[in-house]
Amino acid sequence: GQNIDQPTEMTATEGAIVQINCTYQTSGFNGLFWYQQHAGEAPTFLSYNVLDGLEEKGRFSSFLSRSKGYSYLLLKELQMKDSASYLCAVMDSNYQLIWGAGTKLIIKP
Amino acid sequence: IAGITQAPTSQILAAGRRMTLRCTQDMRHNAMYWYRQDLGLGLRLIHYSNTAGTTGKGEVPDGYSVSRANTDDFPLTLASAVPSQTSVYFCASSDGDNQPQHFGDGTRLSIL
Repeated sequence: GQNIDQPTEMTATEGAIVQINCTYQTSGFNGLFWYQQHAGEAPTFLSYNVLDGLEEKGRFSSFLSRSKGYSYLLLKELQMKDSASYLCAVMDSNYQLIWGAGTKLIIKP
Repeated sequence: IAGITQAPTSQILAAGRRMTLRCTQDMRHNAMYWYRQDLGLGLRLIHYSNTAGTTGKGEVPDGYSVSRANTDDFPLTLASAVPSQTSVYFCASSDGDNQPQHFGDGTRLSIL
């Protein structure tokens, strides 16, 4: 079966750095997406990785290792507004997204 | 402002009733999707449409139907609602394979 694993919840301090991990087992791979979802709102796109390596976009970076079935989202200089759930999703061989349950990130002052 | 509009925002429905959730996008995206989101679970795909006139079944299609008469609209119908269909429903669209999906604000549906 297809499976996306990410931690249920993480806590970090304002101004710090946090890394949210995602491991996956899917039938085929056509890229990995990270989304941010604030409580009661829609998911919004953060990043896309299809090749191994690190993609940097401002305070957010995303890393992919296809051989290990592993990705992480790195958030730097945490702000209170970064409190949200972060969703990892893999596009399978049918170009459908398989979603993880999300990691709820709590930022403390 | 370009985007996806879903209606209604929320609804309480008696079991056995028929309900249609509306979704309209103005980005001219070919692909559209319906997901449900339940606590502790990832988004699960109900139905999708790669282009106007075509639809396909996702992971959890039973009890739901869709149509795609044109590019902009992708309604989701619950023919006879059951309590297990209580969920938050998101409509999304994308500009093709490997492109990010853009989401509407969701419909919170409670079936009693």
